[in-house]
Amino acid sequence: KQEVTQIPAALSVPEGENLVLNCSFTDSAIYNLQWFRQDPGKGLTSLLLIQSSQREQTSGRLNASLDKSSGRSTLYIAASQPGDSATYLCAVSGNQFYFGTGTSLTVIP
Amino acid sequence: GAVVSQHPSRVICKSGTSVKIECRSLDFQATTMFWYRQFPKKSLMLMATSNEGSKATYEQGVEKDKFLINHASLTLSTLTVTSAHPEDSSFYICSFGTVYNEQFFGPGTRLTVL
Repeated sequence: KQEVTQIPAALSVPEGENLVLNCSFTDSAIYNLQWFRQDPGKGLTSLLLIQSSQREQTSGRLNASLDKSSGRSTLYIAASQPGDSATYLCAVSGNQFYFGTGTSLTVIP
Repeated sequence: GAVVSQHPSRVICKSGTSVKIECRSLDFQATTMFWYRQFPKKSLMLMATSNEGSKATYEQGVEKDKFLINHASLTLSTLTVTSAHPEDSSFYICSFGTVYNEQFFGPGTRLTVL
């Protein structure tokens, strides 16, 4: 069974710092990997989708990479802002979607 | 991205009652929908996968008679929690999509059973 792990579980950084969130998965047979943001008590907002044939995707200050063979993905956030504070979830798709446990990010003004 | 709505956003009910949650895709049609539940500070747990016009496929440990899923059309799916109990209190989220492409999530429904 696919297992998805996110490290760290929580992260606190001062505003303006660049940061990296990590996602690892045990089964490399995936169709795609998706990064989400979840604000407290809210649903999920899709940030980036990387197909299995792709290596990275960029959107604004966000860059996600995928190394399928090693079972890893990173989400890079440049010049962090307090509004980036949220929980970030990664999910990989195989015969279903498997979610990581999330990284709770706090950006301190 | 696609817009998905859920109704209600929040519901409080007495133990023993049934609660229906609607999930609508507003701007696209999808044959496949997913229902998740999320406990506080935990990740999403897939409950079931439904395909339009057919019975839902439930994950192990999810009671199909308790969590009734109806995927009546390409833009609407409903989850009914029957005879709800306090342990059913959770955050329920739906999504449209397939495993091959992007998933689009609803805003979630907070269910509290007293």
